[in-house]
Amino acid sequence: GAVVSQHPSWVICKSGTSVKIECRSLDFQATTMFWYRQFPKQSLMLMATSNEGSKATYEQGVEKDKFLINHASLTLSTLTVTSAHPEDSSFYICSGSKDSGANVLTFGAGSRLTVL
Amino acid sequence: GNSVTQMEGPVTLSEEAFLTINCTYTATGYPSLFWYVQYPGEGLQLLLKATKADDKGSNKGFEATYRKETTSFHLEKGSVQVSDSAVYFCALLIQGAQKLVFGQGTRLTINP
Repeated sequence: GAVVSQHPSWVICKSGTSVKIECRSLDFQATTMFWYRQFPKQSLMLMATSNEGSKATYEQGVEKDKFLINHASLTLSTLTVTSAHPEDSSFYICSGSKDSGANVLTFGAGSRLTVL
Repeated sequence: GNSVTQMEGPVTLSEEAFLTINCTYTATGYPSLFWYVQYPGEGLQLLLKATKADDKGSNKGFEATYRKETTSFHLEKGSVQVSDSAVYFCALLIQGAQKLVFGQGTRLTINP
């Protein structure tokens, strides 16, 4: 079946630094990538939707300059948390879709970010 | 707006017990409904889905029926196994919006 590899699975960084999370579709072409954020004991919140080769569409309240999303190829999307602060500590999850919709999604295992 | 409310966990059961995880939703349109499962260390996987009222989704012994009158999509299994221990997410998808709205997840632990 379809697989999405997300890396790193966990990362600790100092406040003020930037962190990049990669999401790769291993055996399918992900036309669309969805990036989610999950707080403890809360649901997954959609941050942004990215289509290969175009700018990401961010959800209301998500700072696009803070969370940079790149989807340069059909198999790779990246999320960069810029100038990270402790409040950015969270669990970030990506998912890929072969088309523009969300009916059939393949999820990465998630990346836990801790900002000291 | 669109939202999903799930039964709060954690839920702990003994093997072979009957499982129900409640899920209710509010939606502005006619959503498709999903249950996703996340096993430890893995990504979310689609467990089952239903696309219209009265549809029943089923997989691996789990079932859920799309109840429009009660806006519910409760997950059930007649006899759980230790391997069913995971976090379960209920979600809805509004056609046209093309984004999933998730519940907060319910952690299920099955003891032998």
